[in-house]
Amino acid sequence: DGGITQSPKYLFRKEGQNVTLSCEQNLNHDAMYWYRQDPGQGLRLIYYSQIVNDFQKGDIAEGYSVSREKKESFPLTVTSAQKNPTAFYLCASSIDRWGNEQFFGPGTRLTVL
Amino acid sequence: AQSVTQLGSHVSVSEGALVLLRCNYSSSVPPYLFWYVQYPNQGLQLLLKYTSAATLVKGINGFEAEFKKSETSFHLTKPSAHMSDAAEYFCAVSERFGAGTRLTVKP
Repeated sequence: DGGITQSPKYLFRKEGQNVTLSCEQNLNHDAMYWYRQDPGQGLRLIYYSQIVNDFQKGDIAEGYSVSREKKESFPLTVTSAQKNPTAFYLCASSIDRWGNEQFFGPGTRLTVL
Repeated sequence: AQSVTQLGSHVSVSEGALVLLRCNYSSSVPPYLFWYVQYPNQGLQLLLKYTSAATLVKGINGFEAEFKKSETSFHLTKPSAHMSDAAEYFCAVSERFGAGTRLTVKP
């Protein structure tokens, strides 16, 4: 089955620790995205990548980092610089950025204690 | 810059009643517009998208949306709500999403 996987579904970390969230797709999509979802705020764009080895900051990139070494993979690192990291994180992909719908993973709920 | 405003964070309707979820957008270029649905603790699924082929767009599960350029709106409707429609709905212009509208359906 083609799709997007995110792991783990639930993640707990201590304050001050970096943590990496996994996102893999086998849809052969060029574009990938990371969003943060908080109650009442919808989805806010953290980073996006249009092609391998290229990525751009979204609206709330501070305290996050990404890499795109392979077409299939777009991991997100939540660093200790992110002031309020507890949230639901969603990864998505699309054929490209121009007018094509996004396909979403099931999400990772990160709780920082 | 592109942005999306969804009017009403919560909408409650009775089963069988009309569903209307409002979305206004701002875009400096012809917009790519989408509606997605999210069930609790899951990712989002596409309901429908505007492709410029027609202003009235039909989607899955009986939903449709009308693109009105003069009003910069893309409101989502369904003639008769079903209990299974209870979810959160997001309007998006390209990769920018609105804050979402939670739909509750009363028996």
